[in-house]
Amino acid sequence: KQEVTQIPAALSVPEGENLVLNCSFTDSAIYNLQWFRQDPGKGLTSLLLIQSSQREQTSGRLNASLDKSSGRSTLYIAASQPGDSATYLCGKKGGLDRGSTLGRLYFGRGTQLTVWP
Amino acid sequence: SQTIHQWPATLVQPVGSPLSLECTVEGTSNPNLYWYRQAAGRGLQLLFYSVGIGQISSEVPQNLSASRPQDRQFILSSKKLLLSDSGFYLCAWSATSGTEQFFGPGTRLTVL
Repeated sequence: KQEVTQIPAALSVPEGENLVLNCSFTDSAIYNLQWFRQDPGKGLTSLLLIQSSQREQTSGRLNASLDKSSGRSTLYIAASQPGDSATYLCGKKGGLDRGSTLGRLYFGRGTQLTVWP
Repeated sequence: SQTIHQWPATLVQPVGSPLSLECTVEGTSNPNLYWYRQAAGRGLQLLFYSVGIGQISSEVPQNLSASRPQDRQFILSSKKLLLSDSGFYLCAWSATSGTEQFFGPGTRLTVL
């Protein structure tokens, strides 16, 4: 069974701090991992996609890493801003040769981030 | 560029009534399409996915069904809603099964 866990469930920090959000998964077979941001009452916005052959991806102040051997991904947010406040979700796509539903993502429950001025 | 639309944005329905939620994608052809549900206190749950017209695979049958009458249209339906069907319904697409998924704005369904 594919399980994805995100720690912490909630995080509240002052503006300017560097943050690390964690995502761990039980099945090491992985095709790719995607990080999303969700604002209240809105859909998911894709932030970063890491293929299984990659170690990390960067976009602006965001950096996501993938360690397949330990079953972990981290999302690093540099110099956090109040506009970063949202729920961050990771979605793991299992190895396609493991019988997992083609293309499906297994999601964690998210980390609710609040950045205060 | 590609865009994904969902409607309605919000819906309040009585128990036992029918349901039809629509999702359309623009700017791409033959996308993979997905329906997810996000219930309060629970993670995102995949309900249905489709790799082509008329091809629907169900993850959680329940009392919901999905159809894909056109290449870029995906419909979620129910004949009789239950209280447990309340939630936030999200449609997503990807170019192929192995690529990035993009989500629509969602439909908030409340069953009373």
